[in-house]
Amino acid sequence: EVQLVESGGGLIQPGGSLRLSCAASGFSVSSSFMTWVRQAPGKGLEWVSVIYTGGNTYYADSVKGRFTVSRDNSKNTLSLQLNSLRDEDTAVYYCVRVPSGGYHYGMDVWGQGTTVTVFS
Amino acid sequence: DIQMTQSPSSLSASVGDRVSITCRASQIINIRLNWYQQKPGKAPQLLIYAASSLQSGVPSRFSGSGSGTDFALTISGLQPEDFATYYCQQSYTNPVTFGGGTKVEI
Repeated sequence: EVQLVESGGGLIQPGGSLRLSCAASGFSVSSSFMTWVRQAPGKGLEWVSVIYTGGNTYYADSVKGRFTVSRDNSKNTLSLQLNSLRDEDTAVYYCVRVPSGGYHYGMDVWGQGTTVTVFS
Repeated sequence: DIQMTQSPSSLSASVGDRVSITCRASQIINIRLNWYQQKPGKAPQLLIYAASSLQSGVPSRFSGSGSGTDFALTISGLQPEDFATYYCQQSYTNPVTFGGGTKVEI
């Protein structure tokens, strides 16, 4: 079964750091674009970052310079390092697969989400 | 960034109704438009990709149309399990952007 399971969310003060992890099963993270999408409480969806099959990364302007996406092909996991956290980073963070054919085919597998709460 | 505008932001409907949601892009995106359904407390699920292609396992009452800047998601014969929030998303260019969502309520 193709599945994504996130972990690592929690309560953190502004300026703090957190590392989110996403364990993939049923497919290889190295063969797909892997993205992070977040959703603030009661709000819509916001794309955060992507790591392409070649290893290139891209970030939303709102997190550029603060967040870092990476993957471990041997463990088949994706990670998102969150630094210099702000109140507005409070959200559910979803790990999401984009099929190897690219975004044209949509984001077809979503994790259950992990909650990050930044509180002062 | 490409702005995606959905309308309406919410609508009320009854089981069996035909419902349409529209999505407009701030620039031409060809058919690079996907639709998702999200139920409360759950992750979104892909319904339609490339404007009109039905994702595997999605009921045929869901359909998508449009190209360029104007798109629509139609549900023909609303079922109880379809009451949810729907999002469009452009996949034409980075950053990927979503519409604000349309909540379909009873």
